[in-house]
Amino acid sequence: EVQLLESGGGLVHPGESLRLSCAASGFIFSSYSMTWVRQTPGKGLEWVSSISGSGESTYYADSVQGRFTISRDNSKNTLYLQMNSLRADDTAVYYCAKDGDPPGWDDFWGQGSLVTVSS
Amino acid sequence: DIVMTQSPDSLAVSLGERATINCKSSQSVLYTSKNKNYLAWYQQKPGQPPKLLIYWASTRESGVPDRFSGSGSGTDFTLTISSLQAEDVAVYYCQQYYSVPRTFGGGTKVEIK
Repeated sequence: EVQLLESGGGLVHPGESLRLSCAASGFIFSSYSMTWVRQTPGKGLEWVSSISGSGESTYYADSVQGRFTISRDNSKNTLYLQMNSLRADDTAVYYCAKDGDPPGWDDFWGQGSLVTVSS
Repeated sequence: DIVMTQSPDSLAVSLGERATINCKSSQSVLYTSKNKNYLAWYQQKPGQPPKLLIYWASTRESGVPDRFSGSGSGTDFTLTISSLQAEDVAVYYCQQYYSVPRTFGGGTKVEIK
């Protein structure tokens, strides 16, 4: 059974940093691209970033480019999202998701981790 | 960026009746050399993450009831629930994965009339 468990969310002040983790199990982690998607009440679902199975290729939304870094540790079956220079509009529930094959759609999603950026 | 526009924003359908959700992309998501539409549909129930229903515009994900079907090509797509059940109350999203950034529609809320 595929499981994705996010952690690391919380309340931070504008300009601070936070790192999200996503522990994966139930599939061959290194064989699949992984994605972060966030959701706010006002903006719905927003794709944030994706990473290839090897970690060699990464992709970012313009809204987070240069501030967020996606990475993975295939030896630990864990996906990460390092978020720097956080802003109020980064406030959202962040979902970790497993890509299908080929990458594109997301066939399994974690339960999400709430990130709140507020002074 | 490809803009995905869903309609209607919400709809109320009687149990057992058909529900139809539309999704329009600002440019074609049909990869002509592969003859595939890079379009997925998701269902999200309150307090839960999205769940994949359909990919390649019309391929049903394993375990998804056959009352859910996807159709369309190019820029115009439809998700149909042929006979609405109580457990289908949710928000439905389309998403294109033809190009980065992947983009989602604004969602359609389906309720029971």
